[in-house]
Amino acid sequence: SQQGEEDPQALSIQEGENATMNCSYKTSINNLQWYRQNSGRGLVHLILIRSNEREKHSGRLRVTLDTSKKSSSLLITASRAADTASYFCAEKRAQKLVFGQGTRLTINP
Amino acid sequence: NAGVTQTPKFQVLKTGQSMTLQCAQDMNHEYMSWYRQDPGMGLRLIHYSVGAGITDQGEVPNGYNVSRSTTEDFPLRLLSAAPSQTSVYFCASSPTGTGGFQPQHFGDGTRLSIL
Repeated sequence: SQQGEEDPQALSIQEGENATMNCSYKTSINNLQWYRQNSGRGLVHLILIRSNEREKHSGRLRVTLDTSKKSSSLLITASRAADTASYFCAEKRAQKLVFGQGTRLTINP
Repeated sequence: NAGVTQTPKFQVLKTGQSMTLQCAQDMNHEYMSWYRQDPGMGLRLIHYSVGAGITDQGEVPNGYNVSRSTTEDFPLRLLSAAPSQTSVYFCASSPTGTGGFQPQHFGDGTRLSIL
């Protein structure tokens, strides 16, 4: 089965700027999840947004969901060096969680 | 609370060797899964389990076996290692076996090289 797609594949910004990453998915979802992966580590869950929600916030993170377009976006505001990581979206298909290929975010000091 | 523990962290094997990657969680989670992560490929699901005694195949199950005799443990076996299995392997768990998906808790991975 094909994975969802994240866009862009890589993003480099200056510290303090906002970063936006997009995710397109394939199926009708129950929920969509976003994860962060620091270099050499496992994935860490950031936000879960349900299909009946349009926007969700967690600290400096804002996730939006457009089910009509089968897309979601992750906004990180006021970026910090510690935000440098790869970010993945994941959609539920049956009993499986299918991940996109991720966006590699680099925050430059 | 240790969360999800994977051992070993690194392993080098020769082609044809077999080995078991260990995964243990102490959160009493029903759902456990194994992924492999390759450059440019994201994470791909190998096998998963919705509870003790129940396992099923993911996207890329060939060459791997799993079993789930207890809630806590979900080992992944490589039957006859091949260079194509060189990858980083992640184990994950979550509270829910069916229905809506809860956030997954990941281990820190096993980096496996097959020569």
